Amino acid sequence: DIQMTQSPSSLSASVGDRVTITCRASQGISNYLAWFQQKPGKAPKSLIYAASSLQSGVPLKFSGSGSGTDFTLTISSLQPEDFATYYCQQYNSYPYSFGQGTKLEIK
Amino acid sequence: EVQLVQSGAEVKKPGESLKISCKGSGYSFTSYWIGWVRQMPGKGLEWMGIIYPADSDTRYSPSFQGQVTISADKSINTAYLQWSSLKASDTATYYCARSTDSDYWGQGTLVTVSS
Repeated sequence: DIQMTQSPSSLSASVGDRVTITCRASQGISNYLAWFQQKPGKAPKSLIYAASSLQSGVPLKFSGSGSGTDFTLTISSLQPEDFATYYCQQYNSYPYSFGQGTKLEIK
Repeated sequence: EVQLVQSGAEVKKPGESLKISCKGSGYSFTSYWIGWVRQMPGKGLEWMGIIYPADSDTRYSPSFQGQVTISADKSINTAYLQWSSLKASDTATYYCARSTDSDYWGQGTLVTVSS
């Protein structure tokens, strides 16, 4: 099974900052990597698929990169509504798997 | 508009059975996989399994194989997640999501198992 490891587990940042979250796969997954945002009490929302493709309607401030085992999600110019928990997920091979999550908090 | 609408919250006792649902609309239901994801209280997302409604091809995470059953009725555009004997540790919110890359999600179904 493929293990997904996100870092950091939590992150404090200020409005206007640019932040980067990393996701590492235990083996190569090509670009079969998605990123999600989840706010308390809400369902996850898809941000990025195929490692770097933006879902329809997602602001351009979100960007993804990477291939193989190392991936990043970058959020530029943080706004109050961006403070949430972010998850990566590999869908290269079964069983699919999520990272443990990165909680982005306001400094 | 693509929508996945899940059944409502459930409160059950240990040992009881349960089947929750996820109804898709706004797209061709048989053309996309539907996955199920567990989120225990205060915890992260766990991938449970996935089904292709056109032919009911189903894959499970080893962690959930034998513990739950995933099914689908393509005639009514609905996927299901069921338990034959619930445990307290099944208390969680369960989400369905469309496609292998989980592009659309249901609103979640809270399942509480308590004696």
